[in-house]
Amino acid sequence: DAGVIQSPRHEVTEMGQEVTLRCKPISGHNSLFWYRQTMMRGLELLIYFNNNVPIDDSGMPEDRFSAKMPNASFSTLKIQPSEPRDSAVYFCASTRSGDTGELFFGEGSRLTVL
Amino acid sequence: GDSVTQMEGPVTLSEEAFLTINCTYTATGYPSLFWYVQYPGEGLQLLLKATKADDKGSNKGFEATYRKETTSFHLEKGSVQVSDSAVYFCALSGSYNTDKLIFGTGTRLQVFP
Repeated sequence: DAGVIQSPRHEVTEMGQEVTLRCKPISGHNSLFWYRQTMMRGLELLIYFNNNVPIDDSGMPEDRFSAKMPNASFSTLKIQPSEPRDSAVYFCASTRSGDTGELFFGEGSRLTVL
Repeated sequence: GDSVTQMEGPVTLSEEAFLTINCTYTATGYPSLFWYVQYPGEGLQLLLKATKADDKGSNKGFEATYRKETTSFHLEKGSVQVSDSAVYFCALSGSYNTDKLIFGTGTRLQVFP
């Protein structure tokens, strides 16, 4: 079975540009998480979906960030406009609700905003 | 609220040395506890878990025991290898939402031959 698939793996963009990160969760998983990892702040939960519905978006930094999950097999995280401080590795993870703690992570999208 | 505190890194060891990475937690309910590992350039992956007090999780020679009396879940390995070099994260499941994990800040382990 394929794991969590994220794209792009690497993105370099200039300040002010729109960035869209994509995630395909594991088939059959109904909970999806977006995390951001930086040296300074560690691993931060940005938003969490259950059955395609956003449950907790308290970690979304500001209005420049938005996330969608139009169906069970696809999610996007968008940053518009991007800023240098958004540079980080963004991870998507999925699980089957109730399988406590068995989060499956993608390989991450490394974003660099110049 | 619920939280996890783990020891600062990096932890630097020689091959075959004994490893301990400390983790303590604060929780209002009865969470499950986890250790995740992140190898360079990869996402996190579950290393081991324990779902109730006195449970011992183990995998790949690593062990951790859920100690309710000391609110701890320390990670141990008797003899580390160079291939164990990675970042280790302690985590707990939220008291009210068990799907949502709360992670510690991570501890980097460097093992030298």
